[in-house]
Amino acid sequence: SQQGEEDPQALSIQEGENATMNCSYKTSINNLQWYRQNSGRGLVHLILIRSNEREKHSGRLRVTLDTSKKSSSLLITASRAADTASYFCATGGDSNYQLIWGAGTKLIIKP
Amino acid sequence: DAMVIQNPRYQVTQFGKPVTLSCSQTLNHNVMYWYQQKSSQAPKLLFHYYDKDFNNEADTPDNFQSRRPNTSFCFLDIRSPGLGDAAMYLCATSRVNRGWTEAFFGQGTRLTVV
Repeated sequence: SQQGEEDPQALSIQEGENATMNCSYKTSINNLQWYRQNSGRGLVHLILIRSNEREKHSGRLRVTLDTSKKSSSLLITASRAADTASYFCATGGDSNYQLIWGAGTKLIIKP
Repeated sequence: DAMVIQNPRYQVTQFGKPVTLSCSQTLNHNVMYWYQQKSSQAPKLLFHYYDKDFNNEADTPDNFQSRRPNTSFCFLDIRSPGLGDAAMYLCATSRVNRGWTEAFFGQGTRLTVV
C-alpha cells in the first residue's frame, strides 16, 4: 500500500553538495523509516524514527519528523557518487506490522 | 553473512507455468514479507506472516500464494504467471515484539515471463 508521497521524484546534484528529500504521509504512525535501494538490488534500511522523536542522525544522514504536518525529511550531507540510489520512506502503524511506502526519490550524484 | 537470502536471483518462466520463489533467513525474525516491485515504483506488499499467521493484502491476486513451513523459510508460489507478473520480488523480515524494528531485505528475485 502507498499512503505517502515523496518529493522530489528525482534529484541530481554535484558530489559534495547536500541532498534533501521529503516524505509526506496521511495516517497516524508509530514510526517512519528510510530505505535506500541501489539499481536492481534489495532495499537497505537507513534510519527508523519513532513518532515521539523529532530528529535523528546517523553518520552523514539526518532525518526529521513533523507529526503535526505528517512529513519527514532526509538530509544527506557531503554527498558521494556512491549515494546514487533510490530512497524510499515507509511508515509503520500501531495496529499492524505492515510498512506503507512512499513512491521514492531517485538521487543521482554527479562526480 | 547474508541474513535474508532469496533464490534464485533471476528466474525465467513460461507464461502459465507455475513458479516458486524462495526466501530464507538466519535472523530468527517472526515476521516475513513478500513484496512485488516493478520498475521505478515503490514495493507493493503481497502478503506477510506474523509468526504462522498469514495476512493477505486485499488486492493480491489469487494467482499468488505463499507458504511458511517454519520460521526460517518462506515461499512465493505463482500458479499461472502472466506477462504482467514480471517484476522484482522482494522478501523481507522484521522482528516485532512489543514494538517495531527495521525490515531486512533480501537481494530480490527478478522474474521474467516469456
